[in-house]
Amino acid sequence: QKEVEQNSGPLSVPEGAIASLNCTYSDRGSQSFFWYRQYSGKSPELIMFIYSNGDKEDGRFTAQLNKASQYVSLLIRDSQPSDSATYLCAGGGGGSNYKLTFGKGTLLTVNP
Amino acid sequence: NAGVTQTPKFQVLKTGQSMTLQCAQDMNHNSMYWYRQDPGMGLRLIYYSASEGTTDKGEVPNGYNVSRLNKREFSLRLESAAPSQTSVYFCASSTTGNYGYTFGSGTRLTVV
Repeated sequence: QKEVEQNSGPLSVPEGAIASLNCTYSDRGSQSFFWYRQYSGKSPELIMFIYSNGDKEDGRFTAQLNKASQYVSLLIRDSQPSDSATYLCAGGGGGSNYKLTFGKGTLLTVNP
Repeated sequence: NAGVTQTPKFQVLKTGQSMTLQCAQDMNHNSMYWYRQDPGMGLRLIYYSASEGTTDKGEVPNGYNVSRLNKREFSLRLESAAPSQTSVYFCASSTTGNYGYTFGSGTRLTVV
């Protein structure tokens, strides 16, 4: 069974710090990886996706993928209280298989 | 641009009652999905439709049926609701190329 594992947290960081969120996956066939942010009582919102080994940067967010280690991470620089949310990692197959397997999420709290 | 629209937003059912959750997307996406989200369990795939005219079971299909009415609409039916189906249900859609899902706002269902 395909699994995506995340630390449930909570992860607490001070405002302005770097928050590091980690994720491992079991399916070596997974080719696409996604980070979603979910505020309490709201639906998940896509913030980053990554397909290739290495780093991908978008503003304050950097996604990192290491397929050999089956490891995905999300770094949030200059963390803001508005970043406080649950972050979901998801992985999926390639080709025409767009089903995603989600981790259970990591709760991030950014303290002013 | 509405994106993915789910109705209703909230529903309370008695055990044994039936209901249909509606989902519609206006982004011309080919694939649509139904997930449920429970505390400590993360998002779990119930059913999905890779394209108009096809539907397939996900991880937790028991007690549910789906209909892909057309390219825009994908409904989820509970024939005889059970307390174990108390959950938040999310519909999502994606385009060809696996750039991630767009989620609807969710339906909070309580079965008493």
